[in-house]
Amino acid sequence: DSGVTQTPKHLITATGQRVTLRCSPRSGDLSVYWYQQSLDQGLQFLIQYYNGEERAKGNILERFSAQQFPDLHSELNLSSLELGDSALYFCASSGRVTGETQYFGPGTRLLVL
Amino acid sequence: QQPVQSPQAVILREGEDAVINCSSSKALYSVHWYRQKHGEAPVFLMILLKGGEQKGHDKISASFNEKKQQSSLYLTASQLSYSGTYFCGTLSTGNQFYFGTGTSLTVIP
Repeated sequence: DSGVTQTPKHLITATGQRVTLRCSPRSGDLSVYWYQQSLDQGLQFLIQYYNGEERAKGNILERFSAQQFPDLHSELNLSSLELGDSALYFCASSGRVTGETQYFGPGTRLLVL
Repeated sequence: QQPVQSPQAVILREGEDAVINCSSSKALYSVHWYRQKHGEAPVFLMILLKGGEQKGHDKISASFNEKKQQSSLYLTASQLSYSGTYFCGTLSTGNQFYFGTGTSLTVIP
């Protein structure tokens, strides 16, 4: 158990819908990262927050957004969902901004029908 | 920008050694190595920081050549539990972090 929690574990929804994935980092960790893993694209870095501020952006679509709240939990919002958004979404946390071990949550499996 | 790993896949017998390489086109601050088993989240193995250090624990070690922007992961005397997909992750300028293409490692008895 990494100490990072993600909810929900599974999500099934339809195209065009909007969903919110939630992540609680390990106690004391200030950085949260979001990743998407699909069969054809592998692990893709989406976005990183540090202590409430956006720190780095990767291959995140404009239909996706994220935020980190004062209690340090983070939410990833996915809107206008497409079939291709079906994937495993991981959140990871670390203690500092960069260069530290990232501890991964168990992931949220999203299926868009 | 995504680092390239080689080989893509490798099958070993228990006790054999393997090397997985990770190569980036960008200057790197650090390289991270993770192992992921099917259906599970990636698990951290080690981080190598700029400075060309070599790290290791137990029978898994890694090196980082910052001049060549390459890292290698060495697995010696492989065990069945080593099976999984290995990813390198690279941190480069602009705080950009990318996972590599992945290497599937299968250890058979």
